[in-house]
Amino acid sequence: DAKTTQPTSMDCAEGRAANLPCNHSTISGNEYVYWYRQIHSQGPQYIIHGLKNNETNEMASLIITEDRKSSTLILPHATLRDTAVYYCIVRGANAGGTSYGKLTFGQGTILTVHP
Amino acid sequence: EAQVTQNPRYLITVTGKKLTVTCSQNMNHEYMSWYRQDPGLGLRQIYYSMNVEVTDKGDVPEGYKVSRKEKRNFPLILESPSPNQTSLYFCASSSRRGAGETQYFGPGTRLLVL
Repeated sequence: DAKTTQPTSMDCAEGRAANLPCNHSTISGNEYVYWYRQIHSQGPQYIIHGLKNNETNEMASLIITEDRKSSTLILPHATLRDTAVYYCIVRGANAGGTSYGKLTFGQGTILTVHP
Repeated sequence: EAQVTQNPRYLITVTGKKLTVTCSQNMNHEYMSWYRQDPGLGLRQIYYSMNVEVTDKGDVPEGYKVSRKEKRNFPLILESPSPNQTSLYFCASSSRRGAGETQYFGPGTRLLVL
């Protein structure tokens, strides 16, 4: 699975958009970009994933650059409850054998939303 | 409600006393796994299971056992716990639909081994 690089921490004002970047310059053609978050010692929570097109769901939007070497997770109207560690993970769509299902978590980005 | 449950949520034990942490999911998922989370080391996979009676080691399996006798349950067994197994443990499950499967995580079990 491709390695990702994220900023260690970011701040955001409540009600504003939070834009979390992720670099994955070694991503290969069949690898998806996933975002999970972990709110203080709770179980990680799936947010969104994408391959090459931009994606949006009720939680967030995912913008993937045309060369797929980087992406941005956007929380359009951050709230205090969005304070969490955000993980960008890249893995194959049909990673068979021993790698199936395993998510390799890096250190993530600590997002702090301020009142 | 789709969920993964773990029990107990908190456990304090002593070295060498066997313990089991249970994990159950109600989504009929084929794939289940265990992670541990430690400060500075992030989440690391301990064991995983592709389906009933199919289990395999993850990245840090030493000192742990698992079993998968039923699809919904995936208990984590520590036969002889040691202090270095003090950690926060998460169980996760997902379907095997292939591309873009979402993993669901349990709430975590915080274990302290004295």
